[in-house]
Amino acid sequence: ETGVTQTPRHLVMGMTNKKSLKCEQHLGHNAMYWYKQSAKKPLELMFVYSLEERVENNSVPSRFSPECPNSSHLFLHLHTLQPEDSALYLCASSQARGGGGSTDTQYFGPGTRLTVL
Amino acid sequence: AQSVSQHNHHVILSEAASLELGCNYSYGGTVNLFWYVQYPGQHLQLLLKYFSGDPLVKGIKGFEAEFIKSKFSFNLRKPSVQWSDTAEYFCAVIWDTGRRALTFGSGTRLQVQP
Repeated sequence: ETGVTQTPRHLVMGMTNKKSLKCEQHLGHNAMYWYKQSAKKPLELMFVYSLEERVENNSVPSRFSPECPNSSHLFLHLHTLQPEDSALYLCASSQARGGGGSTDTQYFGPGTRLTVL
Repeated sequence: AQSVSQHNHHVILSEAASLELGCNYSYGGTVNLFWYVQYPGQHLQLLLKYFSGDPLVKGIKGFEAEFIKSKFSFNLRKPSVQWSDTAEYFCAVIWDTGRRALTFGSGTRLQVQP
């Protein structure tokens, strides 16, 4: 399955570090998403980009900063994170028929397992 | 608020047993409904989906789900589970109004014993 790829697969960082997560989709989609999967909590939507514009910021702290330079790539820039930010970060993509996100099927990448020390 | 509930957090079955996992969502309107599966060490994969039409939908690996609009439910079923079905199962909903992204249930961990 190479539709949606994410790098790195594992990341350990200190609270003062700056790092970035990368997502690339090879499905020709025009909407991309970041989700957070924590232990014992439902998958939480973080950000939605549709047609390269951010259409949703789900009350995410500013220490998480997304970037979508084109419809195939999505980044999540991380700085001064907290230990409670340790989680699996999932990227997904889908086809949006207009602006504002999509109701169509989303395809997920394998995730980046982030540990904040 | 829009929410999705999965009633069973951890289910343990023997091989060949029948499976039904519950999923309810918070309120009506036009919805698209999904079941995703996450096998150990693997990424989320689509199991099946309902957009419109026949409320009984069939997915991969012998799974099916029934949309009951009056009950706001989309339960997942399989008549005979296999050891390879051991995984975590997530129900997810997209409403046609409001934010157009998946709202997930908390997941059900299924353990099938040989």
